[in-house]
Amino acid sequence: DTGVSQNPRHKITKRGQNVTFRCDPISEHNRLYWYRQTLGQGPEFLTYFQNEAQLEKSRLLSDRFSAERPKGSFSTLEIQRTEQGDSAMYLCASSLAVPNYGYTFGSGTRLTVV
Amino acid sequence: DQQVKQNSPSLSVQEGRISILNCDYTNSMFDYFLWYKKYPAEGPTFLISISSIKDKNEDGRFTVFLNKSAKHLSLHIVPSQPGDSAVYFCASYAYEGGADGLTFGKGTHLIIQP
Repeated sequence: DTGVSQNPRHKITKRGQNVTFRCDPISEHNRLYWYRQTLGQGPEFLTYFQNEAQLEKSRLLSDRFSAERPKGSFSTLEIQRTEQGDSAMYLCASSLAVPNYGYTFGSGTRLTVV
Repeated sequence: DQQVKQNSPSLSVQEGRISILNCDYTNSMFDYFLWYKKYPAEGPTFLISISSIKDKNEDGRFTVFLNKSAKHLSLHIVPSQPGDSAVYFCASYAYEGGADGLTFGKGTHLIIQP
């Protein structure tokens, strides 16, 4: 297994454009998480899926953000009408049902909105 | 309101000595605590965890101590090695009744000096 894969690694976009990121989790993991990390901060929880069901969304996830996980495999995170404040590292992680042993994170997608 | 606090942004330790990283939390519902290590341009990597029913957990050079009454945990690394230089994040989780994501601190940058 190659771990959690995220694409693209970097994305530069103009303000107002839409962007979509992809995450491929570890195949046997049924939980998938999205986090956002800005400079000098720890990762902040955005949302998570158990299989294909989106079970929780943070209040950080405004209505410009949408995440999907069709068929419980890969996931996409879309940001519509990007703003400069959306510039951050977007991290995906996966785990089996109980995360007390820790998630496996991907390397992240760094978004820069200019 | 930060529920997980790492009050030392950076820590410098000589190679071979003990590194002690500290973390405080405010939410009494947290019952799992984890430490992650992060190198630049990579996602966080799980190091070690502890359940609230324990006060110590050891894994090789890494030991996590939990003081529930003080709402404090610490990560001890001994002996410290150059490869330990990274940012360390403390994270907490409430197994029941809490949000399903991890709550992270802001991180401590550990620098191991030769």
